[in-house]
Amino acid sequence: QGQLVQSGAEMKKPGASVKVSCKASGYTFTGYYMHWVRQAPGQGLEWMGRINPNSGGTDYAQKFQGRVTMTRDTSISTAYMELSRLRYDDTAVYYCARANGYEYFDYWGQGTLVTVSS
Amino acid sequence: QPVLTQPPSASASLGASVTLTCTLSSGYSNYKVDWYQQRPGKGPRFVMRVGTGGIVGSKGDGIPDRFSVLGSGLNRYLTIKNIQEEDESDYHCGADHGSGSNFVRVFGGGTKLTVL
Repeated sequence: QGQLVQSGAEMKKPGASVKVSCKASGYTFTGYYMHWVRQAPGQGLEWMGRINPNSGGTDYAQKFQGRVTMTRDTSISTAYMELSRLRYDDTAVYYCARANGYEYFDYWGQGTLVTVSS
Repeated sequence: QPVLTQPPSASASLGASVTLTCTLSSGYSNYKVDWYQQRPGKGPRFVMRVGTGGIVGSKGDGIPDRFSVLGSGLNRYLTIKNIQEEDESDYHCGADHGSGSNFVRVFGGGTKLTVL
């Protein structure tokens, strides 16, 4: 059974950057796309982008183009999402999620709360 | 890309049934939609995928038989029968659009289900 474990909560000032990690276990890390989804307080889910852990290729939502960078380290089965130039409305829980062979998200991380506050 | 619309809230009594709706924007009637359940304070979990022909593939792990789906026109429905307290959750629908560098995943705003 696969599992995704994310890094802990972060508090950042406006304008700073945050990097969230997502460590995969229980399956072949390079075999499945990893997506990043965020959820602002009391709001719905918002897709940020995805990374192909095998090639490192990325696709980002237009909203985050230029501010988000997704990377991976295959040696430790870990994906990363870095968001720069943080704003107050970036305060949210950030999730990583594996897309299985049918492209639905079958494994989710526990979420990482990122708070942007001065 | 499609827009997915969900009513913000729904309620049902313990033991009753409820149907949640996810509506695709015009022109996307052939799209499949994934349903996710999110219990309070938890991350989402996959429920099942639905197209115009009904369920696509299998239900998510641990999803009881009380959950079923239907699809018609632009609407994708999730029905829960014999509602239990543990069904009180936010329910999100999502769909894929495009491929390769044009790929996007869109979500509806979510429906908060209250069990009375």
